[in-house]
Amino acid sequence: QVVQSGAELRKPGESLKISCNVSGSRFGTYWIAWVRQMPGKGLEWLGIIYPGDSDTRYSPSFQGQVTFSAAKSINTIYLQWTSLKASDTGIYYCATLFLDPEAFDNWGQGTLVTVSS
Amino acid sequence: QSALTQPASVSGSPGQSITLSCSGTSSDIGRHNYVSWYRQHPGQAPQLMIYDVTKRPSGISNRFSGSKSGNTASLTISGLQAEDDAFYYCCSYTSRRVLFGGGTKVTVL
Repeated sequence: QVVQSGAELRKPGESLKISCNVSGSRFGTYWIAWVRQMPGKGLEWLGIIYPGDSDTRYSPSFQGQVTFSAAKSINTIYLQWTSLKASDTGIYYCATLFLDPEAFDNWGQGTLVTVSS
Repeated sequence: QSALTQPASVSGSPGQSITLSCSGTSSDIGRHNYVSWYRQHPGQAPQLMIYDVTKRPSGISNRFSGSKSGNTASLTISGLQAEDDAFYYCCSYTSRRVLFGGGTKVTVL
């Protein structure tokens, strides 16, 4: 089961960290992805993290804009911004790559991030 | 790199078969067998329907099938049902990153 933190409302320039908790004893043995969906739009891949050693791969479009981290002891990964922009508004999903290294097989419910002054 | 290209909409009547296309390049769909398809109902998270071009996860109906020819992948839904009315996204691995298509709205008439 994949459970994400609740909706967030922030102002431009503020920081934010959202979380994704994955139940199960094999956490840390597969990659987990972050995917964005802007309002009324399609899906965008932000990148992936391997919680076992916190190895990360970022999409060139999001490199330097967000940071992934993991807390293996509590089966949780995080997505963090240091200075939000209005264009960061959207739903952010985490999804596991347990079944296959290139297939998002189990998705969280999504976290709505709204950035507005 | 641009997203994969999908038709904006496809429709069909209950019981019919429809095929959704997903056009890429020789760097993504044409090079790798890492094509997956996701179904998303309004207000819900996406759901994996097909992975590795043709494989179905446990619990996914055999009404869903995937294929690939050259730089184009396809998802066929046979025996169309009301629950198939949703958005469908294709996805492909390429050069250490992942691309999604823009999505196709399937309408069951």
